[in-house]
Amino acid sequence: RKEVEQDPGPFNVPEGATVAFNCTYSNSASQSFFWYRQDCRKEPKLLMSVYSSGNEDGRFTAQLNRASQYISLLIRDSKLSDSATYLCVVNSESGYSTLTFGKGTMLLVSP
Amino acid sequence: NAGVTQTPKFQVLKTGQSMTLQCAQDMNHNSMYWYRQDPGMGLRLIYYSASEGTTDKGEVPNGYNVSRLNKREFSLRLESAAPSQTSVYFCASSETGLSSYNEQFFGPGTRLTVL
Repeated sequence: RKEVEQDPGPFNVPEGATVAFNCTYSNSASQSFFWYRQDCRKEPKLLMSVYSSGNEDGRFTAQLNRASQYISLLIRDSKLSDSATYLCVVNSESGYSTLTFGKGTMLLVSP
Repeated sequence: NAGVTQTPKFQVLKTGQSMTLQCAQDMNHNSMYWYRQDPGMGLRLIYYSASEGTTDKGEVPNGYNVSRLNKREFSLRLESAAPSQTSVYFCASSETGLSSYNEQFFGPGTRLTVL
């Protein structure tokens, strides 16, 4: 089983839409969870960390379900500038806390 | 504050040639990482350095060597390049990998083509 699996993309949505990304992870001992954003031909950048209680940052809401080993990202009121690839990231199974990246889900927001 | 810098930005090599990718960070981070990103594969860890003076293999270390020159610099060397090493290479750093929620900061990447 892949360590981190994400919805295949791309997601094509109109401006103003709400879109949700899902992610599952295999290591039940994982402690750190993140969503990164990667623009085309650019480096990944942290969008938000994901906390057990769930967290919100403006139009973005992240949820964690440890029992199901599932992470989600909800984007409300999509903007053209939200078009990017969203990477689900968890700390890996090795002893040192390196990160394992999902393959990413591309979001395309159209006018 | 430049963050994480990488050189070169682009490189074309012939099979069998060698080269070193350079990475430097000015955030006083302890940990540094090298990833490769291929279409459909996502980011995969090649090597990492938890702290100055230590290096460890990641998921895909074969064909690569690394040097943690000092706290700021972490280089990646391809001794004999192969077409399978055509990829985008990212360097990253974090304050430490031992603590949860430590963000990794990425450099702009090196686009390498091996013919």
